[in-house]
Amino acid sequence: AQKITQTQPGMFVQEKEAVTLDCTYDTSDQSYGLFWYKQPSSGEMIFLIYQGSYDEQNATEGRYSLNFQKARKSANLVISASQLGDSAMYFCAMREAGGGGNKLTFGTGTQLKVEL
Amino acid sequence: DADVTQTPRNRITKTGKRIMLECSQTKGHDRMYWYRQDPGLGLRLIYYSFDVKDINKGEISDGYSVSRQAQAKFSLSLESAIPNQTALYFCATSDRRWPSGSLDEQFFGPGTRLTVL
Repeated sequence: AQKITQTQPGMFVQEKEAVTLDCTYDTSDQSYGLFWYKQPSSGEMIFLIYQGSYDEQNATEGRYSLNFQKARKSANLVISASQLGDSAMYFCAMREAGGGGNKLTFGTGTQLKVEL
Repeated sequence: DADVTQTPRNRITKTGKRIMLECSQTKGHDRMYWYRQDPGLGLRLIYYSFDVKDINKGEISDGYSVSRQAQAKFSLSLESAIPNQTALYFCATSDRRWPSGSLDEQFFGPGTRLTVL
């Protein structure tokens, strides 16, 4: 079974609108972390936001927020007030406590296109 | 200067050739990783190293080897390159610390685009 599932290969959003990118995960660990990375067309991986499994509040970083629903094992990224520069590939990733820790398992990504 | 650098940035090689991709970091991190990215598959872990004497296989290590020459340097080798190793390769680093719930994010290099003909 996939550990990280991103079901939206591509998404479109209009500038200034909000968009939600879906991510579900599968783990039996109690301690884990969830990450979102942005990959623009230039190729680099940019860290956006992190949610720890024990964090009671949803993480926020500027226009990014993470809608963490632990019971449903989902960690959706919400981008508010989309900008043209948000057009990129977005990856959800999970770090599990087992196996020495800090290895990341990535989803297959969602390509976001922001339109005027 | 970038904290995590990769050389070369682009490489075209032929089937059967040996090739080395190099990664250097100035972040002082203990942990280093090699990933490959293929379209539609996301990033997959090839090898990782928690310190100079500790090297571990990742999800897709077959056909690859690594060397951790120093805390700051981690090289990935393809002993005999084949076309399905054509991909974008990323090096990443992270700090040793990871108490439960802390961030300890991974920092990625700019990537090496490798084409095997």
